[in-house]
Amino acid sequence: GENVEQHPSTLSVQEGDSAVIKCTYSDSASNYFPWYKQELGKRPQLIIDIRSNVGEKKDQRIAVTLNKTAKHFSLHITETQPEDSAVYFCAARIDTDKLIFGTGTRLQVFP
Amino acid sequence: EPEVTQTPSHQVTQMGQEVILRCVPISNHLYFYWYRQILGQKVEFLVSFYNNEISEKSEIFDDQFSVERPDGSNFTLKIRSTKLEDSAMYFCASSELGGGQPQHFGDGTRLSIL
Repeated sequence: GENVEQHPSTLSVQEGDSAVIKCTYSDSASNYFPWYKQELGKRPQLIIDIRSNVGEKKDQRIAVTLNKTAKHFSLHITETQPEDSAVYFCAARIDTDKLIFGTGTRLQVFP
Repeated sequence: EPEVTQTPSHQVTQMGQEVILRCVPISNHLYFYWYRQILGQKVEFLVSFYNNEISEKSEIFDDQFSVERPDGSNFTLKIRSTKLEDSAMYFCASSELGGGQPQHFGDGTRLSIL
């Protein structure tokens, strides 16, 4: 069935360091991969997305890479800041419109 | 920047009662969704809606659930007879087009069933 695995579940980094969160999807037909940031009690906020015809996408300090062969995609945050602390969810879309979410990664950035 | 708005922010209801959660999607968006998030868990898809009908629904979206677009701006989720396990955060989302288009989420309604 459709599944997205996400690792790690928690990640602690020092301010200024990089953070990497990895996801694996099960359905090779998946073609759209968004990343959402969710602060405590708030909405999931789309921060970056990538489509299956692209291998990498960057937006300032965040980047996403996609390996279709391995069915992996990753979120990279460079020069982390305390305000990057949140739960990050990856997701994958197959042929329909629904998003299948990963289990989330709680990122803590210590000053 | 346009936002998806949801009301109420928090709903407390006795088990067995009906609840209606309301959403106003972004005005030029055509695709609407409901997701739920049980406390501390991942976001789960419930239903997608386009052109005044359900496009897809998950196993969670059983006969107790229904969605409606009663007018040109609102999109509602109704739970007919609530159960304790319906307690969760319910998020409405919308996208301008279907397919691989970004889905924008509202702030959610926290539903607490007593």
